[in-house]
Amino acid sequence: QKEVEQDPGPLSVPEGAIVSLNCTYSNSAFQYFMWYRQYSRKGPELLMYTYSSGNKEDGRFTAQVDKSSKYISLFIRDSQPSDSATYLCAMRRSTGFQKLVFGTGTRLLVSP
Amino acid sequence: GAGVSQSPSNKVTEKGKDVELRCDPISGHTALYWYRQSLGQGLEFLIYFQGNSAPDKSGLPSDRFSAERTGGSVSTLTIQRTQQEDSAVYLCASSLVPLGLAGRTDTQYFGPGTRLTVL
Repeated sequence: QKEVEQDPGPLSVPEGAIVSLNCTYSNSAFQYFMWYRQYSRKGPELLMYTYSSGNKEDGRFTAQVDKSSKYISLFIRDSQPSDSATYLCAMRRSTGFQKLVFGTGTRLLVSP
Repeated sequence: GAGVSQSPSNKVTEKGKDVELRCDPISGHTALYWYRQSLGQGLEFLIYFQGNSAPDKSGLPSDRFSAERTGGSVSTLTIQRTQQEDSAVYLCASSLVPLGLAGRTDTQYFGPGTRLTVL
């Protein structure tokens, strides 16, 4: 079993829809949670970063962490065709150097 | 440069040949990371450099894989006697300081990757 599970998709939605992307994980020691966006033939770029449980909002993006359920989510409001990309969740344990553990990524397609 | 650069962007090689992949991190970034991205596998951590030393090389899949970093800058990932299962996109990332060692420093900046195909 992988430490981080993520549905590969693709997830197809119409422009303007609310998108929900999710990851589950098995290691309760993970404390830091991130979402990366990766366009085709590009490297991932950091979108959202949260520590422990709770919500964080940044523009059209909201990240949620539920440590009790070992479940994290990324919501995208008013989705745009430019949001079409692969979204990867990543997480790591606490202090000291800890490598990031990534999900496999969910491919999102937003149609105009 | 403005971002992390990697070369070559694409590499096709024959099974059994050696390949070298290069990464130029953002100037001034002390930490450098190599990842491998295979279809359906997500990003797999390979090795991490702090300066020129590699405190964590736990992700290197076999002794055919090695990496070095010189001058606290450029890094080279070498794969000897390539196998077909080595086919993947190899991504390099850098950060100002190592992840987790100075507060909120999880901003790794990724390069565009090198797409390796082993025939």
